Amino acid sequence: AQSVTQPDIHITVSEGASLELRCNYSYGATPYLFWYVQSPGQGLQLLLKYFSGDTLVQGIKGFEAEFKRSQSSFNLRKPSVHWSDAAEYFCAVGERNAGNMLTFGGGTRLMVKP
Amino acid sequence: DAGVTQSPTHLIKTRGQQVTLRCSPKSGHDTVSWYQQALGQGPQFIFQYYEEEERQRGNFPDRFSGHQFPNYSSELNVNALLLGDSALYLCASSYSTGFGRTDTQYFGPGTRLTVL
Repeated sequence: AQSVTQPDIHITVSEGASLELRCNYSYGATPYLFWYVQSPGQGLQLLLKYFSGDTLVQGIKGFEAEFKRSQSSFNLRKPSVHWSDAAEYFCAVGERNAGNMLTFGGGTRLMVKP
Repeated sequence: DAGVTQSPTHLIKTRGQQVTLRCSPKSGHDTVSWYQQALGQGPQFIFQYYEEEERQRGNFPDRFSGHQFPNYSSELNVNALLLGDSALYLCASSYSTGFGRTDTQYFGPGTRLTVL
């Protein structure tokens, strides 16, 4: 069965600083990979996804992520964080079958210092 | 274009009761998945409905059941509620291609269920 690990439960960065959130997965083949963001009391918003092709994917709000097969990782990055980026971030693996069932990591809570 | 909608927003029930949660998918989507998100955790897959049938199921007991209607909307039913069922229940909709393969899932705002 697939699994997702987000090693950092909490991360605090200063506004304007760069950001990298880590995600490691376990899956028998090349998975579908996703990053979602969740603001307090809200649902999940899709930031970006990787299905195949170019391993560096661009998303909304200036985020990008890089798929590294050799490291089983899909880390999320942003060059300059804004206060509005404070939220919980979830990495997810999708099964390459008809249902594309998602398995989520435990999440990383991002706090932004002014 | 309306996104995924869920009702109600919040719900309070007591142990042993039954609850029904509702979800309307995005326009053009035909597949609905349900997830449970306990406080401080990532969402966990409950099941997925496609063509009015349960296509895939996660590791949840039979107390959790669902339904999909011809207009693609869906219900999640939970019987004999336990305290541990308290969670945010998220609905996600997606489009399944001609080969039945599901594309990216888009989530609704969720229903917060509290079991006392």
